[in-house]
Amino acid sequence: QQQVRQSSQSLTVWEGETAILNCSYENSAFDYFPWYQQFPGEGPALLIAIRSVSDKKEDGRFTIFFNKREKNLSLHIKDSQPGDSATYFCAASAGDNRIFFGDGTQLVVKP
Amino acid sequence: DMKVTQMPRYLIKRMGENVLLECGQDMSHETMYWYRQDPGLGLQLIYISYDVDSNSEGDIPKGYRVSRKKREHFSLILDSAKTNQTSVYFCASSSREGQNTLYFGAGTRLSVL
Repeated sequence: QQQVRQSSQSLTVWEGETAILNCSYENSAFDYFPWYQQFPGEGPALLIAIRSVSDKKEDGRFTIFFNKREKNLSLHIKDSQPGDSATYFCAASAGDNRIFFGDGTQLVVKP
Repeated sequence: DMKVTQMPRYLIKRMGENVLLECGQDMSHETMYWYRQDPGLGLQLIYISYDVDSNSEGDIPKGYRVSRKKREHFSLILDSAKTNQTSVYFCASSSREGQNTLYFGAGTRLSVL
């Protein structure tokens, strides 16, 4: 059973639009939810993260909305730019060293 | 400079050959990981190492083994490689104090023919 699920394998938006990437999880013990960004030919890198005590985390154009009751979260990328085109991984952990990743959403931002 | 370095970046092997993938980090992180990435399957954990000689199986350990003799170095070994082990392999590290932030290397693209 997959612990973290991302609802879309791919998403295409136009430059300037808000891209919304959705994620859900199974384990109620998860309390830390990072999003990683990966460009082709590179390893993933931490983009933004939220703890389960919060329902929103903002960092520039990137915002995580978190719903603990529904066990889902979303990453909003405001004013999307072609340089945001990448694969985004939702992940979760329960405070130990094990981090569970979703399958990733490939975002394409068209100019 | 915080860095995870993987060698080699590209590797072609024949089925049945032994494969050694190497990973180093300069952050003195206690925990290191090996993942493989296949299209549509995200990142699958092969092994996790909590420190020198303290290794645990991840979700897909079959066909792999690891070695960690120094904190800064973590190796992944494929004894008698199989074609279905063709993949991109990522090494990562994290600090116990770093709240689970993983630092990834750039990956090794392995083809087993």
